Amino acid sequence: EPEVTQTPSHQVTQMGQEVILRCVPISNHLYFYWYRQILGQKVEFLVSFYNNEISEKSEIFDDQFSVERPDGSNFTLKIRSTKLEDSAMYFCASLDRGSNQPQHFGDGTRLSIL
Amino acid sequence: RKEVEQDPGPFNVPEGATVAFNCTYSNSASQSFFWYRQDCRKEPKLLMSVYSSGNEDGRFTAQLNRASQYISLLIRDSKLSDSATYLCVVNEDRGSTLGRLYFGRGTQLTVWP
Repeated sequence: EPEVTQTPSHQVTQMGQEVILRCVPISNHLYFYWYRQILGQKVEFLVSFYNNEISEKSEIFDDQFSVERPDGSNFTLKIRSTKLEDSAMYFCASLDRGSNQPQHFGDGTRLSIL
Repeated sequence: RKEVEQDPGPFNVPEGATVAFNCTYSNSASQSFFWYRQDCRKEPKLLMSVYSSGNEDGRFTAQLNRASQYISLLIRDSKLSDSATYLCVVNEDRGSTLGRLYFGRGTQLTVWP
């Protein structure tokens, strides 16, 4: 079964540094998403992306966050000037166009900010 | 404020037991409903979609009550492998799942031998 893959599995970064989290969605999918889950808390939506632009973003997705799909394959989440509270699991998800199926999640990147 | 609420548990049951989880959602515009399971520090994985008429998948039965904005999941004949956190998930887009998903905090289940 096709999978959403994410790299790295674990990223440790000093506060104030920039990080880029990478995702390879399922190949024929056209809708892409980032979610995060702080330890012990619920999964929260960050942003959705379609046709090379942001479709929707949450209040969490402020100016320190950005997404892009630079090469038609990878879907990246960049966090500029990381803060301690950015420490979380970050999940990428993708969805086929027109599908009534649920979003497919990658296995996540654990981001630890020191 | 759009919320999905679940009893956090934990539920600790013996193998073979029947266990039920409940969920309420606050936005009456919600259109699509799912149960996901999440193992410790892993990604959410779809368990089953929830349809208006209720649906069953093996040992799992899901029910939806739109009037009460209530969703349930029943697990029969629990297995050790059912131990996980069960996430109630809601989507508001009509006829599709293209929009954001709203997650409950999850209900933790431990099945013991």
